[in-house]
Amino acid sequence: DQQVKQNSPSLSVQEGRISILNCDYTNSMFDYFLWYKKYPAEGPTFLISISSIKDKNEDGRFTVFLNKSAKHLSLHIVPSQPGDSAVYFCAATYTGNQFYFGTGTSLTVIP
Amino acid sequence: EAGVVQSPRYKIIEKKQPVAFWCNPISGHNTLYWYLQNLGQGPELLIRYENEEAVDDSQLPKDRFSAERLKGVDSTLKIQPAELGDSAVYLCASSLRGRTGQETQYFGPGTRLLVL
Repeated sequence: DQQVKQNSPSLSVQEGRISILNCDYTNSMFDYFLWYKKYPAEGPTFLISISSIKDKNEDGRFTVFLNKSAKHLSLHIVPSQPGDSAVYFCAATYTGNQFYFGTGTSLTVIP
Repeated sequence: EAGVVQSPRYKIIEKKQPVAFWCNPISGHNTLYWYLQNLGQGPELLIRYENEEAVDDSQLPKDRFSAERLKGVDSTLKIQPAELGDSAVYLCASSLRGRTGQETQYFGPGTRLLVL
């Protein structure tokens, strides 16, 4: 049973525009959410996280939004840059439990 | 600060042969994870260690997979014998519990296994 879902396998965005990556989850016990970025032949790299007590967390060009009632989170990248082209995974967990990952969204930023 | 180190980066073996992967977590990280990642999928947990204790190995296929974390630092993951379906990327991660009590995982580069 996939508890974390990324329904868009791929996304293409023009350089300088906003990239919005979406993630849905089913387990209401999740209280911590993370986004990872993965380049080919490398391991996932931690990007940004958000606790369930917040609805927004911002770090430079990256902002994560959490909508607990909809069990939905999104990652906004503004402005998008060609170096942002990678696969993005969302993950969710709750204290003392394992991490659950989505299947990833491949972002291509077109110069 | 050094990240999570894994070796080898690539491994090609014939089916029924044994294979072992090694992981050195980030210094000070007590929790260590082994994941399996197939193409087009997210990482799937195989085993989680708190120090030297395996606290979650429910998804580890114990008939052929084994793992150990001696002294609560380095860890090895072994497959014996390997099957064609074991071809995948094996990721190691370690985590640090923050001030809020929540953990952030940091991944190694992975070992890409090809079983022929």
